[in-house]
Amino acid sequence: QKEVEQDPGPLSVPEGAIVSLNCTYSNSAFQYFMWYRQYSRKGPELLMYTYSSGNKEDGRFTAQVDKSSKYISLFIRDSQPSDSATYLCAIPLSGNTPLVFGKGTRLSVIA
Amino acid sequence: SAVISQKPSRDICQRGTSLTIQCQVDSQVTMMFWYRQQPGQSLTLIATANQGSEATYESGFVIDKFPISRPNLTFSTLTVSNMSPEDSSIYLCSGAGTSGSQYEQYFGPGTRLTVT
Repeated sequence: QKEVEQDPGPLSVPEGAIVSLNCTYSNSAFQYFMWYRQYSRKGPELLMYTYSSGNKEDGRFTAQVDKSSKYISLFIRDSQPSDSATYLCAIPLSGNTPLVFGKGTRLSVIA
Repeated sequence: SAVISQKPSRDICQRGTSLTIQCQVDSQVTMMFWYRQQPGQSLTLIATANQGSEATYESGFVIDKFPISRPNLTFSTLTVSNMSPEDSSIYLCSGAGTSGSQYEQYFGPGTRLTVT
């Protein structure tokens, strides 16, 4: 089993929809959970991250971690065409270490 | 946060040649990493660039093929040596450990390499 699993999609939604992006992980020792957004032909951009369990909200984006089920989610409310990108979950093994990435989910928001 | 630039942004190279990619961070970072990303795929770690010492390579990547330098806390280079078409990919550098957070990792825009 890979350390981080993510459905690659693609996912296509109408503008204004609520989007749910998900990852599962295998190592219960993981503490930090990152979400990156990558536009076509660009580098990954750190969107937000959470520590341990719980929710974190930033504008239209909410990151959620359920450590009991090893499940992490990113919700996008009122999705916009500008949200069309690939979203990657990533987990550091510890501080200042490389990231283990999911495959990334390609999202298209249709106007 | 940190702003990371890479040069070149893209290149087309002939088989058997070498290309050096430069990565510059606008602030000091503790750690720098090099990743490879095939089109439409996720990121695969090549190595950790260690300041003043040899890089730490992941399984499947070797120093002779991907020599890395990191002379200071803001700069690193990755060389892709003796290139073959299988080396065609996007190469990304990242930096982590800016002041205030050891978990935030920032990426450059990538270098798109095509080997013919």
